[in-house]
Formats: sequence, structure tokens, C-alpha cells
Amino acid sequence: DAKTTQPPSMDCAEGRAANLPCNHSTISGNEYVYWYRQIHSQGPQYIIHGLKNNETNEMASLIITEDRKSSTLILPHATLRDTAVYYCIVRRNQGGKLIFGQGTELSVKP
Amino acid sequence: AAGVIQSPRHLIKEKRETATLKCYPIPRHDTVYWYQQGPGQDPQFLISFYEKMQSDKGSIPDRFSAQQFSDYHSELNMSSLELGDSALYFCASSPPRGQGIETQYFGPGTRLLVL
Repeated sequence: DAKTTQPPSMDCAEGRAANLPCNHSTISGNEYVYWYRQIHSQGPQYIIHGLKNNETNEMASLIITEDRKSSTLILPHATLRDTAVYYCIVRRNQGGKLIFGQGTELSVKP
Repeated sequence: AAGVIQSPRHLIKEKRETATLKCYPIPRHDTVYWYQQGPGQDPQFLISFYEKMQSDKGSIPDRFSAQQFSDYHSELNMSSLELGDSALYFCASSPPRGQGIETQYFGPGTRLLVL
């Protein structure tokens, strides 16, 4: 599975959009980009995933660059409850373990 | 909706003791994963089971063993506990392949403290 690089921390004002970047320059053609988050000491929570098209669900949007070497997770209106560590994970969509990297610690401030 | 259930939620053991952690996957999920998260660290994959057979193995110590039973619940057995085994242990389950998003749903975790 391809490795990912994320900034260690970010701040966001409550109500504003949070844009979390992820670099995955070694991603291969059959690998998906998954995003999970972990709110303090809780089990990680699935957010969204995509292959090459932009995706949106009730939690977030995922923007993947055309060359697929990077992506951005967008939380459109961040709330205090979105404060968490966000993990970008690249893997094939055939099941299998998740490899958690460093992640981005997002702090949403009033 | 039903979630992954883990028991116990908290466990305190002495060094060299044994511990058994249990995981009950979401109904109709056939794959179970175990992860360990040490203090200040990211979750690390330990082992997984698909249809009651071990499907993958990560950095799991030889002192640990696990299995998945006919009702798909799983147990992680830890022997000769060491101080370094103190961690959060998460179980996750995923639905049968081809039936929904290929993702993992995590339980609330078991916090193990070894004294």
C-alpha cells in the first residue's frame, strides 16, 4: 500500500471549512484513498473514500487531483465535535488491514 | 444501528498474567480485525480473520493469539503480559465483500493496563 504524508496539526475556526491535505505520490492505479478520524481515544471512524472522482457524503467531501498524487478532505462547516486526528490511508478496495500513518490533528476553535 | 461490541471496556492486570479480550462484530459482518494503540501512538494492525480463518497477521507478539468463532465473534488472548502491552485494543468488522462499502467499523476499544 502506498505511503501518505499529512501535516501533523491544523487549526480551524468553528463554522468555517476545514481543508485537510494528503500527499500520496506513490499511489497505484487500483488503490483508493480512504479517510478515517479518531476522536480522542474512541475507535476510528470511517469518513469517506474515493478512487479518482471527487466524492461527497453527509460528513465530508473528498477532492482527488487529476494525477491522483494528492487529495483534500473538506469538512464544510467544522464544529467543535470535529476536533480529532484525521488519517488519510491508501489501500486497495479488496479488504484488508488499515495502515495508520501519522495523521493530522485538527483542532476546531470557537 | 448495531455497532461493534467489545468487552471488557477496561481491564487491569499484573505482569505475567493473562487477558482475554472479546469482540462481537456488527451482525452479518464476516471479517474481524484487531488493532493495538499504545499511548500517544497510532493504531497498529495485529491480526484479522475472514470467515473464521486467519486472513492476515501484523506485528502481533507470539504471546498473543486470536481466533474467530462460528458466530463470528473473536477473542484476543494475551499471555505473559508485559508493561508494554498497556494500550487500547480496538476491534473492527467489515461486511461481506461486494455488499456495501469496503470499510471497517470500529468498536469502542478495550483499555488494558498492565501493572
